[in-house]
Amino acid sequence: EADIYQTPRYLVIGTGKKITLECSQTMGHDKMYWYQQDPGMELHLIHYSYGVNSTEKGDLSSESTVSRIRTEHFPLTLESARPSHTSQYLCASSQWTGHYYEQYFGPGTRLTVT
Amino acid sequence: AQSVTQPDIHITVSEGASLELRCNYSYGATPYLFWYVQSPGQGLQLLLKYFSGDTLVQGIKGFEAEFKRSQSSFNLRKPSVHWSDAAEYFCAVGVTGTASKLTFGTGTRLQVTL
Repeated sequence: EADIYQTPRYLVIGTGKKITLECSQTMGHDKMYWYQQDPGMELHLIHYSYGVNSTEKGDLSSESTVSRIRTEHFPLTLESARPSHTSQYLCASSQWTGHYYEQYFGPGTRLTVT
Repeated sequence: AQSVTQPDIHITVSEGASLELRCNYSYGATPYLFWYVQSPGQGLQLLLKYFSGDTLVQGIKGFEAEFKRSQSSFNLRKPSVHWSDAAEYFCAVGVTGTASKLTFGTGTRLQVTL
């Protein structure tokens, strides 16, 4: 079982602040993901990483940015938070099973921008 | 484009009753299909998956799902629901040949009455 850690779990912050949501995994997985989840809605992929120094935007446009300098670490940054960024952010990594990639999820960060 | 439909937003069942959560997908090739469960304040946990072979797959916590290609469905079932099964359930389809990316449905919230 993969271990994926996200910090903080909850964050309430004012408009205009810069924030970084942390995500780390200890399994050495190459692929990592950031999803945005609003209540009653599906998860939307906002960022995807194939490996170190390889990132791409997901299906849902997001003003956030990501970096992947180390395999185990995939932080997400918002330069200037706005109320529209209020949401739950889920990080995941995936493991090759021999047939397909299986994703493992962190506990999420619930962000509220006031 | 690939898509997943979970037609039931909210389902309530009595403890001990049987459960079926519906999932329909749209995908051109043989799909990789997944069911995840999300408890309040938690990330997603994989319940079961289908990628080939037997169309009836067994998962954790007593859940099973049946892949029906003719109906483009992958419904989740449990013979006897426990109060601890109350959670949000998400169906997902792998959108690449190796399921390195997933498209999720909007989820079904399960409430269990005692």
